[in-house]
Amino acid sequence: RKEVEQDPGPFNVPEGATVAFNCTYSNSASQSFFWYRQDCRKEPKLLMSVYSSGNEDGRFTAQLNRASQYISLLIRDSKLSDSATYLCVVGATGTASKLTFGTGTRLQVTL
Amino acid sequence: NAGVTQTPKFQVLKTGQSMTLQCAQDMNHNSMYWYRQDPGMGLRLIYYSASEGTTDKGEVPNGYNVSRLNKREFSLRLESAAPSQTSVYFCATRRDSNQPQHFGDGTRLSIL
Repeated sequence: RKEVEQDPGPFNVPEGATVAFNCTYSNSASQSFFWYRQDCRKEPKLLMSVYSSGNEDGRFTAQLNRASQYISLLIRDSKLSDSATYLCVVGATGTASKLTFGTGTRLQVTL
Repeated sequence: NAGVTQTPKFQVLKTGQSMTLQCAQDMNHNSMYWYRQDPGMGLRLIYYSASEGTTDKGEVPNGYNVSRLNKREFSLRLESAAPSQTSVYFCATRRDSNQPQHFGDGTRLSIL
């Protein structure tokens, strides 16, 4: 089983739609969680950290479910500019600062 | 404030040639990382340096060496390039545990 698993997609949604991605992780000792965004042939960029109580940043909401070992990302009112690959990232304590990246979920927002 | 700077941005090598990819950060972060990214495979960790003076192997270290020259700089060396090392290489930094990583804009390397 992969340490971090994501549905590769693509998710094709119309502008204005709400879309949600899930990500599961296998290491129950994981302590830090992030969502990154990666545009084609560009570097990954931090979208948001994920906190235990859940958190929101504008149109983006992230949730963490430790019991089921998954995190989610909800995007409301999708924009064309949201089209990208979204990477789920997990870090565990005692792993000397390593983070584990999922392979990403591709989102395509259309007119 | 440049953040994480990688050089070169593009490089074409012949099989068997050697080269060093450079990464420098001005964020005063403790940890630095080298990844490669290939189509459909996501980011794979090659080597990392949790702090100045230490380096450790990641998931795919074979064919590579690294040097943490000082807190700012972490270089990746290909001693004898092979076509299988054609990839996009990203350097990243991280202040400490529980913090996110910050990436350079990558080096696109082709080995013929």
